[in-house]
Amino acid sequence: QKEVEQNSGPLSVPEGAIASLNCTYSDRGSQSFFWYRQYSGKSPELIMSIYSNGDKEDGRFTAQLNKASQYVSLLIRDSQPSDSATYLCAVILGSASKIIFGSGTRLSIRP
Amino acid sequence: EAGVVQSPRYKIIEKKQPVAFWCNPISGHNTLYWYRQNLGQGPELLIRYENEEAVDDSQLPKDRFSAERLKGVDSTLKIQPAELGDSAVYLCASSLQGELFFGEGSRLTVL
Repeated sequence: QKEVEQNSGPLSVPEGAIASLNCTYSDRGSQSFFWYRQYSGKSPELIMSIYSNGDKEDGRFTAQLNKASQYVSLLIRDSQPSDSATYLCAVILGSASKIIFGSGTRLSIRP
Repeated sequence: EAGVVQSPRYKIIEKKQPVAFWCNPISGHNTLYWYRQNLGQGPELLIRYENEEAVDDSQLPKDRFSAERLKGVDSTLKIQPAELGDSAVYLCASSLQGELFFGEGSRLTVL
């Protein structure tokens, strides 16, 4: 089992709709979770961090965390073509304090 | 505030040649990471530094890879000799409270 798992996609969503990206992790002791966006040929950039169970909203982005289910998700409302990118889930593993990335989900917003 | 600076941006070498990458983190960030990213994959951790100490190098292929972070600021990652499978983007990131800030990366092509 991989430490951080994501569906590789591609996930195709119409413009203006909600895009839902999911991530599961294996280390139950993990406490910190992040979503990064990576455009083709560019480096990852942080868009959201979440540390507590529940929802955290920032503009059109909402991160959701469920530690009991070891599940973290990212919702993008009113999806725009500029949201087309690969979204990487990252987790600080509780056992080792190192940041591990999933393989990323490629999101495509179609006009 | 200056971001993470990496050089070179691109490097093409023949197999068995050595190569080195340099990283200057964001001022005040004590934690520095080197990741390797292959096409279509998430970043893979190679080594993590806390100041000048390598606290996690379990994923670093020590037969050919080496890294150093003298004085706890700049860092260098070296590969000697390079193999075809080392072709990838090498990302440096510095961290504040777990949130990673990446440099632009160094794209290595081994022929």
